Amino acid sequence: ETGVTQTPRHLVMGMTNKKSLKCEQHLGHNAMYWYKQSAKKPLELMFVYSLEERVENNSVPSRFSPECPNSSHLFLHLHTLQPEDSALYLCASSQDVGQGSETQYFGPGTRLLVL
Amino acid sequence: DAKTTQPPSMDCAEGRAANLPCNHSTISGNEYVYWYRQIHSQGPQYIIHGLKNNETNEMASLIITEDRKSSTLILPHATLRDTAVYYCIVSSTPYSGAGSYQLTFGKGTKLSVIP
Repeated sequence: ETGVTQTPRHLVMGMTNKKSLKCEQHLGHNAMYWYKQSAKKPLELMFVYSLEERVENNSVPSRFSPECPNSSHLFLHLHTLQPEDSALYLCASSQDVGQGSETQYFGPGTRLLVL
Repeated sequence: DAKTTQPPSMDCAEGRAANLPCNHSTISGNEYVYWYRQIHSQGPQYIIHGLKNNETNEMASLIITEDRKSSTLILPHATLRDTAVYYCIVSSTPYSGAGSYQLTFGKGTKLSVIP
C-alpha cells in the first residue's frame, strides 16, 4: 500500500533536538491520524484530524505537536523528547471519521530513537 | 481496552488455509468487525471488514457467526509472506464524542506460516 507515505523512515535525535515527522496521503481522504507503537505494546492513538481540524487528542504530552495544513498532509513536531518516546510512529488516513465504518490505511511508519 | 479476544499465536503450513478466530461477545449492533495485519516493523495493512454478512475479497474471507459474537478470518492458501500479527478489531460506534472512532488494537494473533 503506497497511498500513505511517511518521512523520514528512521530518525535518531537527542533530547534537546527539534524534529518533525511528515505524512502525506494520496487517497483523497478527509481524515488523518497519528499512532504510536512502542515495543511489545498495542498501537496507541495520539491525534485525529478531520478536514484539517483536530478532533481528538488522547492526552498526549505537549512535547508532541501535530499540524495539519491541508487534508493531504500531516506533521508531528517533536521537541525535548524523552528516551521513552522511542517508538514506531504511524500515520493513517480514512475517507471520513465518525461513521463507524472507516477503513484506515497506514503508512510505513517512522522508527524514532531518542538518545 | 480491546473488545476482542484472539489466540496469541498460530502456525499454518504453507499452501494450507489459515483460519484465525476472534471472539467479540460484547459487540453492538452497529459495530463492524475489522481485520488488519502487521508484518514486522511495518504499518498495519487493512485486510477486510464486515457487519453481519460474510465477506470475501482478493486477500481473505471473513465469516461472522449469526449472533455476531465471533468471527473467523480465512486466508485460503497461506504463503510465507502471510507471516504477520493479525488484529481483529471492533470499530467504534458512530461519532458521539471523544474516542468514539478510533481503532483499538489489541495484541493480535501472531501467525507463522511454515514451509
